[in-house]
Amino acid sequence: DAGITQSPRHKVTETGTPVTLRCHQTENHRYMYWYRQDPGHGLRLIHYSYGVKDTDKGEVSDGYSVSRSKTEDFLLTLESATSSQTSVYFCAIKDRGAGELFFGEGSRLTVL
Amino acid sequence: SQQGEEDPQALSIQEGENATMNCSYKTSINNLQWYRQNSGRGLVHLILIRSNEREKHSGRLRVTLDTSKKSSSLLITASRAADTASYFCATDAEGSGSRLTFGEGTQLTVNP
Repeated sequence: DAGITQSPRHKVTETGTPVTLRCHQTENHRYMYWYRQDPGHGLRLIHYSYGVKDTDKGEVSDGYSVSRSKTEDFLLTLESATSSQTSVYFCAIKDRGAGELFFGEGSRLTVL
Repeated sequence: SQQGEEDPQALSIQEGENATMNCSYKTSINNLQWYRQNSGRGLVHLILIRSNEREKHSGRLRVTLDTSKKSSSLLITASRAADTASYFCATDAEGSGSRLTFGEGTQLTVNP
């Protein structure tokens, strides 16, 4: 298994509170991604990183920010959580441009 | 909108039968990938086919790619109950900057 750890795995929070999800890898892969998975939408890309301090937006980035200060950690922050951000969030890593993704086990977030 | 769209959305077969899932996409691609997701787990990469390849095999998996029709198919031969999962295609579109776009998936159920 690729060395990817997501934390927390489950979180319940209230509308308006900040939430940070962490993705930690031990593979030293250059690329890291955050996706959300919702019924009827498959996986949608939120943000991704192609190196330390190098990040870019995906197709559903509104309401989310990311940071990557070290190769091994990619943080996803919801500054003020909304009920529409209730979802399962997956982190993925890739070691080269045209390669396969390795996924974490997901973080289930419920915003009440 | 999703780059890849799988068909059918759900498929139920008996053990030993073959399962075929199709994926259509909209833009030119560098490669197309298939992933599997067991319930409550992260996605696992199955196979990658490059735009200049037409067919690829891996064990009981056979993937075809028709770039003129912008479509791919995944065939699982001699299916087993353990193949029950959701299957997703993902496209690495030209000019996408190493981002994969996923379809909504096909839910495969293999009955013992």
